[in-house]
Amino acid sequence: KAGVTQTPRYLIKTRGQQVTLSCSPISGHRSVSWYQQTPGQGLQFLFEYFSETQRNKGNFPGRFSGRQFSNSRSEMNVSTLELGDSALYLCASSLAGGSTDTQYFGPGTRLTVL
Amino acid sequence: AQKITQTQPGMFVQEKEAVTLDCTYDTSDPSYGLFWYKQPSSGEMIFLIYQGSYDQQNATEGRYSLNFQKARKSANLVISASQLGDSAMYFCAMRPGGATNKLIFGTGTLLAVQP
Repeated sequence: KAGVTQTPRYLIKTRGQQVTLSCSPISGHRSVSWYQQTPGQGLQFLFEYFSETQRNKGNFPGRFSGRQFSNSRSEMNVSTLELGDSALYLCASSLAGGSTDTQYFGPGTRLTVL
Repeated sequence: AQKITQTQPGMFVQEKEAVTLDCTYDTSDPSYGLFWYKQPSSGEMIFLIYQGSYDQQNATEGRYSLNFQKARKSANLVISASQLGDSAMYFCAMRPGGATNKLIFGTGTLLAVQP
């Protein structure tokens, strides 16, 4: 079974631009979560989608948004990029987000904002 | 507040020896899950082991075991017979109760296995 895939793996943008990151979950998984990892703030939860609906959201500004498609693939978008948005963005998928569900992570997208 | 604390920023261990990575958590939820992930320098988070708050026995997965002490709110990871490939960052994480898949991560422990 293929794992979680994320595209692109690396991205360089400039301040003010916007970016879209993509995540394809493991086949059969319906829950997709996104995390931001930076040296200063560590791993922080961005949001979770289940059956095309945002189920939970972390404490990030509205510039960070996401969506999930009917095939469970998910995208996240960051508008008006700031230098502080430079980070590793990790996507994780799980079956349904139940109490014993395990989240499996993708390789991440490393975003650099210049 | 829900929180995960990993007090060991870095650790060294000799190859073939066992090592314990510490993790304490704080939550008032009666139901929660505890996880350990490994992150090599490549960046991908690799799932190692899971412990549910109602599980009576400590979880084990191959060379990994979780020493779960509920009263102390600790969930230490034990790696037996360390291998060079175990060198990586290790994160403890908690999923709070309720309808959420959100994981709260600790700051991680960087493990270096020496030959």
